[in-house]
Formats: sequence, C-alpha cells, structure tokens
Amino acid sequence: KQEVTQIPAALSVPEGENLVLNCSFTDSAIYNLQWFRQDPGKGLTSLLLIQSSQREQTSGRLNASLDKSSGRSTLYIAASQPGDSATYLCAVRPAAGNKLTFGGGTRVLVKP
Amino acid sequence: KAGVTQTPRYLIKTRGQQVTLSCSPISGHRSVSWYQQTPGQGLQFLFEYFSETQRNKGNFPGRFSGRQFSNSRSEMNVSTLELGDSALYLCASSPLTGTGNYGYTFGSGTRLTVV
Repeated sequence: KQEVTQIPAALSVPEGENLVLNCSFTDSAIYNLQWFRQDPGKGLTSLLLIQSSQREQTSGRLNASLDKSSGRSTLYIAASQPGDSATYLCAVRPAAGNKLTFGGGTRVLVKP
Repeated sequence: KAGVTQTPRYLIKTRGQQVTLSCSPISGHRSVSWYQQTPGQGLQFLFEYFSETQRNKGNFPGRFSGRQFSNSRSEMNVSTLELGDSALYLCASSPLTGTGNYGYTFGSGTRLTVV
C-alpha cells in the first residue's frame, strides 16, 4: 500500500528566501507525481507534473525533482513571496490504476 | 477553456438526510474522480469513473455512491448522513484514456456540513 509523507507539516520563512518542500513515498512503482497548491477552503491547483521517467520539471520560479528509486520528490520555490503562502500537497499516481495517494501537505507561511 | 465545475459550493444538511453533489469535468475529459478532504484524514480517494463505469473505489461505506453520465458529468450521493461526513468533497478530471501520462485538474470543491 502506497504511503506518502510530507515533512515538515508547516514552514515559515521570510520573504525572498527559497522554499524547499519534501515528499517521500514508499512504493517506487509510480506513473507520475503531481504537486498541488491549496489555499484555505479552496480546491487544488496543479503546479507541476513529473512523469516517472523524468528527473525534474520546471515552471517559472518552481522546480520539482524526482528520485523514483529512493522514493523522493522535492519542490523548490525560488525567491518566495507572501502570495506563495498556502498548503502544498504532493500526490502519486501508481503504475497500475488511477487512484492518487496524497501526502498530508506542508503549510507554508511567507512573512513580508 | 472552462475548468472543473462543482455544485453546490456549500451545503448544510441534517444527520440522516441524503445529499447529491455534482461535478462537470473539463470538456473532453472522460475520467472523473472524487476525493474527501478532512482535517484529520487528509485527502482520501472515494471513487473513479470512466465512460460511465466505476473503475476504482476507495475504502468508504456503501452509503457513498456515484455515477457518471454519457456527457462525463458525475454525481456522488451520500445517504443517511453522519456528522463525520462533514468535509470538503473534491472532484478531479483527467483526459485519461487508459494509458498516457496525464495529470488531474481539480474543482473548487463542495463544502458539506452535517449538523
């Protein structure tokens, strides 16, 4: 059974600092891994999708890496801004089936 | 292009009642999945529909059911509501056609409160 863990559960940084968010998973038989952002009381916004064959994916200030063999992904957010304050979730899709397994999320606060 | 639309946004129901939530996926997306989000359990998979067929089901009691229509719109139903069913219910769509490396797009969710 796939288990996804995100540590730390919460993070507070001053504006301008780079953010590093971690995601680990127990079963390396994955199809892809997706990072989401969730604002309080809202739905999930997809940030990046990394295919199992990829090592990293970039979009603007965001960069996500994937090390499938060690069961880890990292989301980097460069030069953080107060608007980056949100909960960040990672989700893995298994090699067989379409059910996403989510981590518990990391709640980020960027202080001005 | 319109995103995933969930209605209603908020619902307040009484214990023992039933409720139906609706989800319209992105045009052309044939896979619709439902998730329940609570502070204690996080995001948990309910079920997935593809071409009107339920392909996967999570570990929820039979009070939770769903269906998908020929236009890919989906509904989920919860009967005999319990206080513990209070949650944010999220719908996700994907252009999945069995294989292919597609991601999921989520709606804004329906906040259900059971009193």
